Amino acid sequence: GQQVMQIPQYQHVQEGEDFTTYCNSSTTLSNIQWYKQRPGGHPVFLIQLVKSGEVKKQKRLTFQFGEAKKNSSLHITATQTTDVGTYFCAGEKTTDSWGKLQFGAGTQVVVTP
Amino acid sequence: DTGVSQDPRHKITKRGQNVTFRCDPISEHNRLYWYRQTLGQGPEFLTYFQNEAQLEKSRLLSDRFSAERPKGSFSTLEIQRTEQGDSAMYLCASSLVTGRYEQYFGPGTRLTVT
Repeated sequence: GQQVMQIPQYQHVQEGEDFTTYCNSSTTLSNIQWYKQRPGGHPVFLIQLVKSGEVKKQKRLTFQFGEAKKNSSLHITATQTTDVGTYFCAGEKTTDSWGKLQFGAGTQVVVTP
Repeated sequence: DTGVSQDPRHKITKRGQNVTFRCDPISEHNRLYWYRQTLGQGPEFLTYFQNEAQLEKSRLLSDRFSAERPKGSFSTLEIQRTEQGDSAMYLCASSLVTGRYEQYFGPGTRLTVT
């Protein structure tokens, strides 16, 4: 089962609106990565966060790593139809082997024009 | 195309049969991962290699599953005596061991056990 929890499971967004998806781990993470999977496709790497409290931006996407390194968020502004897909966070636990990722169940994003 | 490739893309098999999947990683990547993904779930870690060494195998993985990476390049994942519960998408990914080491995923092999 998934050891990294993501909410919400589904997100219906009107084009142009903003939304946020959250990722939570019960254990401390050494780093967290975010991936996007388009319908029928495979996961594609978006970003990696390593430092406590780190914030990174990619155009309309803002990623944040919590101070305790147990949670993360992805905020998308002015949603476009190209944002459709499932967004996964994947955490590397400090107690796990280096490079081993635990994926969340994902947030499936549907954009209404 | 220099990305991760997987073969076959689809496999339909009868319960009890053995199946083998192949993954060719990006050539300079020394890490190779296998995941299983079912509908509505994220990729579930199965096992991973650094070069030819298998570093870890999921405790959730049945003994019917075995993986190899004999020369540190391509890898195979074999499932023996398949069960209906094995039906899933099997994803392979590769990465470097330095720098950001993000994982690059292949297109997957969709297994259907009837």
